[in-house]
Amino acid sequence: GENVEQHPSTLSVQEGDSAVIKCTYSDSASNYFPWYKQELGKRPQLIIDIRSNVGEKKDQRIAVTLNKTAKHFSLHITETQPEDSAVYFCAARADSGYSTLTFGKGTMLLVSP
Amino acid sequence: DAGVIQSPRHEVTEMGQEVTLRCKPISGHNSLFWYRQTMMRGLELLIYFNNNVPIDDSGMPEDRFSAKMPNASFSTLKIQPSEPRDSAVYFCASSLSNEQFFGPGTRLTVL
Repeated sequence: GENVEQHPSTLSVQEGDSAVIKCTYSDSASNYFPWYKQELGKRPQLIIDIRSNVGEKKDQRIAVTLNKTAKHFSLHITETQPEDSAVYFCAARADSGYSTLTFGKGTMLLVSP
Repeated sequence: DAGVIQSPRHEVTEMGQEVTLRCKPISGHNSLFWYRQTMMRGLELLIYFNNNVPIDDSGMPEDRFSAKMPNASFSTLKIQPSEPRDSAVYFCASSLSNEQFFGPGTRLTVL
């Protein structure tokens, strides 16, 4: 089955800095890679996703890059703000049959004012 | 739409008791997922239903756990008997295509 590794487990940055979270996956059949944000005590919510036919996708201050050859993808947050503080999860899934999302262990991002 | 609804939001019980968690998916969604979240193990998929049929229950820890989806608008996750190591936040999520929409979760504490 799929295995998703996520690094770092915690990340502290100053407001205005950039933050990068990296994930690797094992199943070459995976072709859908979402990122979820979970604020303290809240539910995970999708913030951005990318498919394997795209190398990069941006949405305002967040972007995701994908390297299928190396089997890794990354989340980039620019101009971080305190409200970006949360746990971020990457996930991977193959678009075949009844495959499901495999989540990474999460990265706790703390943005200090 | 009210989103995915879960009940109860918090449950405190004693070891050995039966616990039933409930979920109402978003209307029209055909997939439903039960997850367990702990600090040590992260977000684990327990079971996945498609069109009310269990497709993958390989994540169900042991026979003490069971899940049902009698119709498209309701699912239950039951733990019998409960143990302290079952303490966690249990999320239900539903989807129609790619995005999974999570419920608010049930925080379970087994004493």
